[in-house]
Amino acid sequence: DQQVKQNSPSLSVQEGRISILNCDYTNSMFDYFLWYKKYPAEGPTFLISISSIKDKNEDGRFTVFLNKSAKHLSLHIVPSQPGDSAVYFCAASEAGNQFYFGTGTSLTVIP
Amino acid sequence: DTAVSQTPKYLVTQMGNDKSIKCEQNLGHDTMYWYKQDSKKFLKIMFSYNNKELIINETVPNRFSPKSPDKAHLNLHINSLELGDSAVYFCASSQDVGSGAWETQYFGPGTRLLVL
Repeated sequence: DQQVKQNSPSLSVQEGRISILNCDYTNSMFDYFLWYKKYPAEGPTFLISISSIKDKNEDGRFTVFLNKSAKHLSLHIVPSQPGDSAVYFCAASEAGNQFYFGTGTSLTVIP
Repeated sequence: DTAVSQTPKYLVTQMGNDKSIKCEQNLGHDTMYWYKQDSKKFLKIMFSYNNKELIINETVPNRFSPKSPDKAHLNLHINSLELGDSAVYFCASSQDVGSGAWETQYFGPGTRLLVL
C-alpha cells in the first residue's frame, strides 16, 4: 500500500528550461514533506522541505509547492542545469515520524 | 568527512548465509534508520532506533535483526539470506525522532546486497 506516489518514472528537460516533478499522497494526516536527490551509487541527499502550514517554499532554483486539498506536491527547478540530472524522491510524514517515500523520478537535463 | 557511512558497499553472498551490514554516523544524531530499496525502487523503512532503543519495527522477517551498540552505530544482521533479500539497503540518521520535530534524515551511500 503505497502512500506516496511519483507516477512519472522519468523526465527529460532542456537545459535552462523548467523541470517540474510531481508527487501525490493518500494520507491526509501527512504534514511534512521533503524532496531528496539521488545520484547513482550514492544515498539520497536532502534537497528541500515544506510543512503543511505553507503552500510554497523556495530555495534558490528549487521551489516546492503543496496543494493539500489535492494531496499533491511538486518540485520546480528553474533554470534546469545538467548537474540536476538525478533521481528525485519525495517523502511524507505525519509529525516528523516515519517517512514514506515515493519510487522516484529520474530527471535528465539535456545540455 | 563522511556523515553517514555504511560497510560494505557491495555484498554478494549465497542463499542461507548470515551477513551483517554496518552503519556509523558522526553527526551526533539521536535517531538512526534502516531502509530497503527493492527492484521497483521503492524505498521503505525497516527499523528506527532512538538513543539505542527500537522505536519503529515495520513488518520485516525475524531474520533481520538490528543492533545498536551506541547511538552512533546501527548494524543490520541478516540470517538465512533469501533471494528476495537482494536489494539496496540504506542507513540514515536524524537529530530527533519526531513529536513535532520535523527532522531531515541524512542517508548513507547504500549497501548493494545480491543473494545468489
